[in-house]
This record gives sequence, structure tokens and C-alpha cells, in this order.
Amino acid sequence: QKEVEQNSGPLSVPEGAIASLNCTYSDRGSQSFFWYRQYSGKSPELIMFIYSNGDKEDGRFTAQLNKASQYVSLLIRDSQPSDSATYLCAVRNSGAGSYQLTFGKGTKLSVIP
Amino acid sequence: DAMVIQNPRYQVTQFGKPVTLSCSQTLNHNVMYWYQQKSSQAPKLLFHYYDKDFNNEADTPDNFQSRRPNTSFCFLDIRSPGLGDAAMYLCATSRRMGISTEAFFGQGTRLTVV
Repeated sequence: QKEVEQNSGPLSVPEGAIASLNCTYSDRGSQSFFWYRQYSGKSPELIMFIYSNGDKEDGRFTAQLNKASQYVSLLIRDSQPSDSATYLCAVRNSGAGSYQLTFGKGTKLSVIP
Repeated sequence: DAMVIQNPRYQVTQFGKPVTLSCSQTLNHNVMYWYQQKSSQAPKLLFHYYDKDFNNEADTPDNFQSRRPNTSFCFLDIRSPGLGDAAMYLCATSRRMGISTEAFFGQGTRLTVV
């Protein structure tokens, strides 16, 4: 069974600090990886995706992927109180049905003013 | 502009009374998904359509059915809701191809069973 694991948190960081969110996945053939942000009672919204090993930066967000270790992370620089939300890691499955996403349970981030 | 629209936003139904949730999209995406998300849990895929082809997850209860009459609309029918079916139901769409293809979510329907 394909699994995506995240530390549920809560992860608390002070305003202005770097928040580091981690995710591991079991399907070694997975090709692409997505980070979604979900505010309480709202639907997930895409922050960024990554499919090549290494780092990908978009504004204050950096996604990091290490396929050998089956590990993907999201760094949020200069964290703001508005970043307080649950962050969901999603993995696009390999093989048949490769357009489906498997989600982790999410990490709840709290940015303290 | 909303691209994936779910109705209603909040639905209260009685135990055992059939209920239908709806989803529409303006993205012309091939694939439409229904996820169930309970508090502090990951979204769980119930089923999805690739065009008209219906794909049911192995562990989706028979109580849940879906219809996709055309590209734009998809419905989730819960035939006999139980208390355990109270959750947020998320509709999402995506293109079929592309390594970077993301899922676009609607705003969700919060279902309460009384």
C-alpha cells in the first residue's frame, strides 16, 4: 500500500523564523510531489510541486526532494502568522492510475507573533 | 474566479436519509475526484472519473455512489448516511497527462449527520 508520512505536529515557530516541514513516501516509483496548504475548515490549495532531485524555490517557499531517501520537505522562510495552517504533502503515484494523488495526514504549523 | 464549485457548502442530513453533493468545474479537466476528509486526517480518495470511466477505490463503501453526466458536473450520492459519514467532502479535478499535473480543489461540502 502506498503511504505518505508526515509529522502531525503541531509545529510552532516564532514569526520571522524558518519553518521546516517533512514528508516521506513509500512508493519508490513516485515521480512528482506536491505541497498543499489547508486552513481550518477550508479546502487544500497548492503551494508548489517538485519532481526533480534538489531544491526548488518560489518566493518564501523552498521544496526539497531526495528520491534516493524518499524524502521531500518544504521550507518556509520569514514565517508569518498567516502561514499558520495544515500543510499536506501529496505524492503522484507511479504505474497505472498515475494521475492520482496520495496525501499525508498533514503537519499543523503555528507561527507565533 | 472559482474554477471548481461545490454545492452546498454545508449539508445537514438525517441518519439514513439519502443525500447528494454536487461539483462543477470550468477547467474542462478530464479527471474528477471525490475525497473524504475527516478531522485531522488525510483526504481519502473515494473514487474518480477519467472522462466517463469510473474508478472506485477498493475500500470505498457501497453506500457511496457517483455520477458524472457530462465533463463539467459530478455528483456524490450517499444512499444511507451514517454518523461515521460526517466529514468534509472534497471534489477535485486534474488534467490526465503531465508530471506536474496538480489537483484543483473545490471549497468542500461539510456534511453533518444527525
